[in-house]
Amino acid sequence: GESVGLHLPTLSVQEGDNSIINCAYSNSASDYFIWYKQESGKGPQFIIDIRSNMDKRQGQRVTVLLNKTVKHLSLQIAATQPGDSAVYFCAENRVTGGGNKLTFGTGTQLKVEL
Amino acid sequence: DGGITQSPKYLFRKEGQNVTLSCEQNLNHDAMYWYRQDPGQGLRLIYYSQIVNDFQKGDIAEGYSVSREKKESFPLTVTSAQKNPTAFYLCASSIVQANTEAFFGQGTRLTVV
Repeated sequence: GESVGLHLPTLSVQEGDNSIINCAYSNSASDYFIWYKQESGKGPQFIIDIRSNMDKRQGQRVTVLLNKTVKHLSLQIAATQPGDSAVYFCAENRVTGGGNKLTFGTGTQLKVEL
Repeated sequence: DGGITQSPKYLFRKEGQNVTLSCEQNLNHDAMYWYRQDPGQGLRLIYYSQIVNDFQKGDIAEGYSVSREKKESFPLTVTSAQKNPTAFYLCASSIVQANTEAFFGQGTRLTVV
C-alpha cells in the first residue's frame, strides 16, 4: 500500500527571537557533523559544521553545540528572520571502507512568525 | 559557474519504465552521492562513489543502479523494480578528504503514474 508521509517536527518562533533546533545522532564513531538548511523544492545548503573534537562552533548568527556524551547536536540561530524559515537537517559523517558516508536526520521545520 | 547540475527538474514516467536521472558537477570533486527524499522526511542514501569506476550501495539501493564512468557524472537509474519510485532525488558531491561538507544540486522530482 501507499506509505503515509510523516509530519516533520515544527518549531515556531517570533521574528527576532532566538531559535534552537535539536538533533540526536546514533553512531558514536561519527567524527564530523553538519547542519543543512533546505528551502521548499530546493537542495540542502550548508550552514555550519563541527568536528567531534570540538564542543562548540560559531558562525554568523549561528552556533552549533555538540554533546558527545549524550550524542546530541543543537543549532542556535540568533535574531531569527523570516528568511530563516526552512527545514533544517543535521547530518553525521563516518569514514567507511567505501569512503565518507553522510547520514541525515529527519529534519525540523522552522517557521518564523512576524 | 561551478556547481552541481541535476536534470531535469521535473520528470514524469509511466509505471514499469526505467528512467535515468542526470547529475553533473564541475567542482572537480571525487566523491558523489545520490539521496532520496520523501515528503516530510529526511534524506536517505541510495548510492555513493568515491572514485571513477567504483561505487557503494547506500541504505536503500534496491531498485536503483548507478554508473561512474567519468569524474564529472554520476547518473542514477530508477528501475521498474523500485516499488515506490515517486520522490525527490538529490545528488551531491564532495572532496574525498574526511570532514568536508557535501554540496547539493537542486534536485529532480520524479513522478511515476
